[in-house]
Amino acid sequence: GNSVTQMEGPVTLSEEAFLTINCTYTATGYPSLFWYVQYPGEGLQLLLKATKADDKGSNKGFEATYRKETTSFHLEKGSVQVSDSAVYFCACSSSGGSYIPTFGRGTSLIVHP
Amino acid sequence: DVKVTQSSRYLVKRTGEKVFLECVQDMDHENMFWYRQDPGLGLRLIYFSYDVKMKEKGDIPEGYSVSREKKERFSLILESASTNQTSMYLCASSGRGTSRHEQYFGPGTRLTVT
Repeated sequence: GNSVTQMEGPVTLSEEAFLTINCTYTATGYPSLFWYVQYPGEGLQLLLKATKADDKGSNKGFEATYRKETTSFHLEKGSVQVSDSAVYFCACSSSGGSYIPTFGRGTSLIVHP
Repeated sequence: DVKVTQSSRYLVKRTGEKVFLECVQDMDHENMFWYRQDPGLGLRLIYFSYDVKMKEKGDIPEGYSVSREKKERFSLILESASTNQTSMYLCASSGRGTSRHEQYFGPGTRLTVT
């Protein structure tokens, strides 16, 4: 089956710092890749997605590029804000067979003023 | 926007009680899911349903059952709650075609079993 590995947290940054959260995946075929965000006390929200190699997903200043050669989908943001403090989940879902995504364990991001 | 609602944000129950967690989505989605979320373990799939009255076991179905009598509603049932079922429970839904891979989550129910 599929698997997703993301860096363990917490990741602690100062406001306006550059963010990278690493995510690598193992999957058959050509999966779709996702980043979800979970703010404190809430459910997960889809942050961005990419459905084929070299696609770049982007939203709210966050970006991630689907790298098939390295099986990676790292999340980046050029300048984080305190309001970005949340848990970030990487996920992949294969185009054939089960449509249920495989989630990573989540990476907590804490941004200090 | 897709809206997934869960009946309670916080719930406290006693060991042995029967517990119902309700989830409703308003986007006519075919697929609905129940997860539990625990620190260090991420999300674990309990059950899912791809149609009315259909259900499939996920990774950790033991101690749980589900019901889907209407397309928009998916219920999780703890027949006899135990303390190890204290957790955050998340409901999700997804549509058809390529969008079936994108899940929309409810706000979660934090269940405490004492």
